Amino acid sequence: TQLLEQSPQFLSIQEGENLTVYCNSSSVFSSLQWYRQEPGEGPVLLVTVVTGGEVKKLKRLTFQFGDARKDSSLHITAAQPGDTGLYLCAAALGEKLTFGTGTRLTIIP
Amino acid sequence: NAGVTQTPKFRVLKTGQSMTLLCAQDMNHEYMYWYRQDPGMGLRLIHYSVGEGTTAKGEVPDGYNVSRLKKQNFLLGLESAAPSQTSVYFCASSYYNYYEQYFGPGTRLTVT
Repeated sequence: TQLLEQSPQFLSIQEGENLTVYCNSSSVFSSLQWYRQEPGEGPVLLVTVVTGGEVKKLKRLTFQFGDARKDSSLHITAAQPGDTGLYLCAAALGEKLTFGTGTRLTIIP
Repeated sequence: NAGVTQTPKFRVLKTGQSMTLLCAQDMNHEYMYWYRQDPGMGLRLIHYSVGEGTTAKGEVPDGYNVSRLKKQNFLLGLESAAPSQTSVYFCASSYYNYYEQYFGPGTRLTVT
């Protein structure tokens, strides 16, 4: 059983549409990070959220940390082809960082 | 600043052969990590280091060994490769534990 569940696993949408992807767990996180990974490359950190209910914005990307610090969401407004990639959440649980299995996002021009 | 570099980028091994993957970082980070990434499994921690001369086991350490003789380098060794070790291996580093991790470009390893 995955400690961190990401949904959907795959998402393919048209350029200009909005989308939301989710990261959920039954455990409480001390902090949560979102990374984007492009084909053939390593993950790149997008944001870290620490406080329950926290919302952070990065241009067209909005990240939210659940009030109970068990879940998080990533919302993209007006998706562009450059947003294509694998989105990974990672949570600090105990002594280590645990990664979800990711959402593979494809934006169709 | 090169960030985190990994060598080699690709490697094919026969079962039973050995090899070492090299990771180097130029950001003066204390913490370094080795992960493997497999389809549907996400990133899984193999070993990590909290400073020069230290190493610790992660989630999937069996079949791997590591060394951190210099602060900037973290080596991952496979003594006797098995097909189950076919994967993409990523090295990462961070200043604090579980802080923002910087990843290398990965090594794609195939064991036949």
